[in-house]
Amino acid sequence: KQEVTQIPAALSVPEGENLVLNCSFTDSAIYNLQWFRQDPGKGLTSLLLIQSSQREQTSGRLNASLDKSSGRSTLYIAASQPGDSATYLCAGVQGGSEKLVFGKGTKLTVNP
Amino acid sequence: GAVVSQHPSRVICKSGTSVKIECRSLDFQATTMFWYRQFPKQSLMLMATSNEGSKATYEQGVEKDKFLINHASLTLSTLTVTSAHPEDSSFYICSASGVAGTDTQYFGPGTRLTVL
Repeated sequence: KQEVTQIPAALSVPEGENLVLNCSFTDSAIYNLQWFRQDPGKGLTSLLLIQSSQREQTSGRLNASLDKSSGRSTLYIAASQPGDSATYLCAGVQGGSEKLVFGKGTKLTVNP
Repeated sequence: GAVVSQHPSRVICKSGTSVKIECRSLDFQATTMFWYRQFPKQSLMLMATSNEGSKATYEQGVEKDKFLINHASLTLSTLTVTSAHPEDSSFYICSASGVAGTDTQYFGPGTRLTVL
């Protein structure tokens, strides 16, 4: 059974800082891994999707990496801004399944 | 493109009543829809998967008679929480997949259910 863990649970940084959010998963037979953003009381916004054959994806100030052998993914945010404050979730899809398994998220606060 | 809506966004009801939540794919045909539940400070947990025209597949521990799912068309799925109790209070999110060439799930904005 796939389990997804995110560390840290919460992170507070000053504006402008570069930061890394971590995600680990127990089963390396992962089909793809996705990073989402969730604002308070809102749904999910998909940020980056990494297929199992890929090692990283980039979108603007965001870069996500995937290392299946170590069971880890990271989300790198460059030059953080107060508008980046949200909860960031990672979720993996098991090979042969459509099911997304989510971590509990990392709550990010970027202070102006 | 690939927009999913949910209605209502927020609902408060009395214990024992039933609540229906709608999930619609606005600009694509969703062959599969998923229903998730999120308790405070917890992960989103998949409740059930539904394919248009067939019965939903429920995850272990989710009561199918309590959480009724109907996926009658390629753009609409409904979740009915029957005889709701305070412990059913949660954030319910649906997602839909079916955009040609991809199995990506697109998420709705969620529904906050509070049972008094």
